[in-house]
Amino acid sequence: DAKTTQPPSMDCAEGRAANLPCNHSTISGNEYVYWYRQIHSQGPQYIIHGLKNNETNEMASLIITEDRKSSTLILPHATLRDTAVYYCIVPRIVQGAQKLVFGQGTRLTINP
Amino acid sequence: DTEVTQTPKHLVMGMTNKKSLKCEQHMGHRAMYWYKQKAKKPPELMFVYSYEKLSINESVPSRFSPECPNSSLLNLHLHALQPEDSALYLCASSQDYYSYEQYFGPGTRLTVT
Repeated sequence: DAKTTQPPSMDCAEGRAANLPCNHSTISGNEYVYWYRQIHSQGPQYIIHGLKNNETNEMASLIITEDRKSSTLILPHATLRDTAVYYCIVPRIVQGAQKLVFGQGTRLTINP
Repeated sequence: DTEVTQTPKHLVMGMTNKKSLKCEQHMGHRAMYWYKQKAKKPPELMFVYSYEKLSINESVPSRFSPECPNSSLLNLHLHALQPEDSALYLCASSQDYYSYEQYFGPGTRLTVT
């Protein structure tokens, strides 16, 4: 099972791009990388996922290295509302189901 | 409607009480999940239901009893809990058993006294 490693905390200025790294060096060829975030006192929120190509949606961009051993979540213009814990997850297959195993995540603080 | 609702928002119960947590979604999702989150820790999976049948039980103590009466509703029955069971209980749903994107509710904050 692929395990992810993220820095425990990061700071970013409001309006700047926030780049959150994640290492998943043991990921296998058919495993996806998922990103969720959890704003204080709320449930986790799905952000984006990818396999090998870079992905972009209305919330963020996901850059996956060619060897797939690491990825970076990019919030292009961070706002105060982006302050949250960000989780990088490689889902596990358990009894045919996609199981999300949350690590400690990165606590991102957006400063005014 | 992309919302998962959970009731109650807060619950305080004694160790001899019986209570239930409720989760509801109207997105037509066929997989539903219960997670437990202790303070300053990540969520941990407890149960997975797929098409109203229990698919995964992560070795959760029997004082927690899940129930899925229909495809929109998920309950968690609580009995004889311990103070260490105090946590945020999160419900989530996904399109099906194989979906990557899970929608989470706001959680029920449980305090066991």
